[in-house]
Amino acid sequence: SQTIHQWPATLVQPVGSPLSLECTVEGTSNPNLYWYRQAAGRGLQLLFYSVGIGQISSEVPQNLSASRPQDRQFILSSKKLLLSDSGFYLCAWTPGTATYEQYFGPGTRLTVT
Amino acid sequence: GQNIDQPTEMTATEGAIVQINCTYQTSGFNGLFWYQQHAGEAPTFLSYNVLDGLEEKGRFSSFLSRSKGYSYLLLKELQMKDSASYLCAVHSTGGFKTIFGAGTRLFVKA
Repeated sequence: SQTIHQWPATLVQPVGSPLSLECTVEGTSNPNLYWYRQAAGRGLQLLFYSVGIGQISSEVPQNLSASRPQDRQFILSSKKLLLSDSGFYLCAWTPGTATYEQYFGPGTRLTVT
Repeated sequence: GQNIDQPTEMTATEGAIVQINCTYQTSGFNGLFWYQQHAGEAPTFLSYNVLDGLEEKGRFSSFLSRSKGYSYLLLKELQMKDSASYLCAVHSTGGFKTIFGAGTRLFVKA
């Protein structure tokens, strides 16, 4: 069966510090991968998606970046965090075929102070 | 542009039926999802409607009218554990993107 992991679960970082969040998927190959951010009490904002290694599409211009160094690994990064980067970060995957249901990881709660 | 509207909050009584509405205006449409999200947790899949009509799955049903840009999620025999946010999401054409609404927080009271 497929599983998706994210770490860390929670993170408190000062403004201006760097960020690296990691997501890995097990039990599948060539998944479509997604990074979402959810502000408190809000919906999910799509940040990046990837349909293959090294292929990243950005949805929202901001100080975040994403990379996919391996088929089942998706990394979200920032060189300098802003207060507005606080939120609940969710990684998700889909099989990349006719099934479009998204499976979400447990999320990382980031607080920028 | 992309716009998905849902009520912000709803309250219902245990054992009752509740309908959560969603209207959407998106540039491209492949289908519509409903997800459930408990506080502090990741969303979990409930339903996916591609064609017009009602799809029933246990206590939960979802309806879609593509011509009206409208969907609803119907929850029957409400239980306390159904207290959660319910997210309406449109699967855009192209296959890769899903646009989420802000969600409806449902409170189930005894």
